[in-house]
Amino acid sequence: QKEVEQNSGPLSVPEGAIASLNCTYSDRGSQSFFWYRQYSGKSPELIMFIYSNGDKEDGRFTAQLNKASQYVSLLIRDSQPSDSATYLCASRGISSASKIIFGSGTRLSIRP
Amino acid sequence: DAGVTQSPTHLIKTRGQQVTLRCSPISGHKSVSWYQQVLGQGPQFIFQYYEKEERGRGNFPDRFSARQFPNYSSELNVNALLLGDSALYLCASSLAGGATYEQYFGPGTRLTVT
Repeated sequence: QKEVEQNSGPLSVPEGAIASLNCTYSDRGSQSFFWYRQYSGKSPELIMFIYSNGDKEDGRFTAQLNKASQYVSLLIRDSQPSDSATYLCASRGISSASKIIFGSGTRLSIRP
Repeated sequence: DAGVTQSPTHLIKTRGQQVTLRCSPISGHKSVSWYQQVLGQGPQFIFQYYEKEERGRGNFPDRFSARQFPNYSSELNVNALLLGDSALYLCASSLAGGATYEQYFGPGTRLTVT
């Protein structure tokens, strides 16, 4: 079982709609969670960071964390073609605080 | 402010050779981590350094080594290169080494082993 799992996609969403990206993790000791956006051929760019249960909003992005269900999600409102990228979910545990574990990413495509 | 910088951008090496990759963190950041990313996969953790000490090591062979300098820059060394070492090598910096600190990635070094 992978420690951080994501649906590889592609997830196709019409422009202007809400894109919903999901991630599950297996280590209950995971403390903090990250969403990175990665364009083809580029390095990952930090989008959101969350470590408390509930929602965290930043502009068009909302990260949601449910530690009981070991589930993290990223919502992108008013999706734009420029949001088309691979979105990487990552977790970090207090017991091995130095190590961030990444999922394989979900490819998102926003269709005009 | 400048972000994380890495050099070189691209590198082509032959099997059996050795390579050194360099990273300069964001100003004020004291922790540097190294990751390997192969096509279609998420980054895999190799090392973290904080205040010039190794704080974590991923599941990579001893051919991989790293160090952090007093100015917090870092080098990743890979000896006896294999074809499977071909990947994007990413450096990430954070203020400190704890779990609640965000990591910011550099542009990466694309290593091709032939």
